[in-house]
Amino acid sequence: EPEVTQTPSHQVTQMGQEVILRCVPISNHLYFYWYRQILGQKVEFLVSFYNNEISEKSEIFDDQFSVERPDGSNFTLKIRSTKLEDSAMYFCASSGPLAGGRTGELFFGEGSRLTVL
Amino acid sequence: AQRVTQPEKLLSVFKGAPVELKCNYSYSGSPELFWYVQYSRQRLQLLLRHISRESIKGFTADLNKGETSFHLKKPFAQEEDSAMYYCALSHSGGYQKVTFGIGTKLQVIP
Repeated sequence: EPEVTQTPSHQVTQMGQEVILRCVPISNHLYFYWYRQILGQKVEFLVSFYNNEISEKSEIFDDQFSVERPDGSNFTLKIRSTKLEDSAMYFCASSGPLAGGRTGELFFGEGSRLTVL
Repeated sequence: AQRVTQPEKLLSVFKGAPVELKCNYSYSGSPELFWYVQYSRQRLQLLLRHISRESIKGFTADLNKGETSFHLKKPFAQEEDSAMYYCALSHSGGYQKVTFGIGTKLQVIP
């Protein structure tokens, strides 16, 4: 069964460093997402991506964040200058289209845990 | 703004007892409601969605627009039901962000 894969599973970085989290969505999916979950808090939407552009983003997704689909298979989240409060589990998800313009369920990766020191 | 409220962070029940995980939402448009589940050491996955009207692993959930609720129910809890359960909402139609509740940890006591 196809799965969303994420790398790395855990990354430790110093405050101010750049971090790139990578995701390989399910191959025939067209919609891609990043969510994050700070320890003990809820899963929060960051950004959705469709047709090679951001379709929606939350207020969390400020200028420090960017997403890219560089090669048709990977979907990356970049944090330019990490802050302590960026420490969280970051989940990638993808979904496929359904009839009537709807999207299917979200398929999640296992997450990348980011620790900023 | 869309919002999902799960009032209980932890729900403990005995095996064989009924389960009800509460979820209330606020949304001005026509929402689509989901329950996602995360078993220990596994990824977040869809359990059921309201438009499917199906029972998955014995769980059902009915959308009550009058009470803006989408409670998850199961008549007899099993130990393997122990997991984190997240109620979620999205705008129906088109690609859309999904807003999650804070989650309820269900603990089934043998």
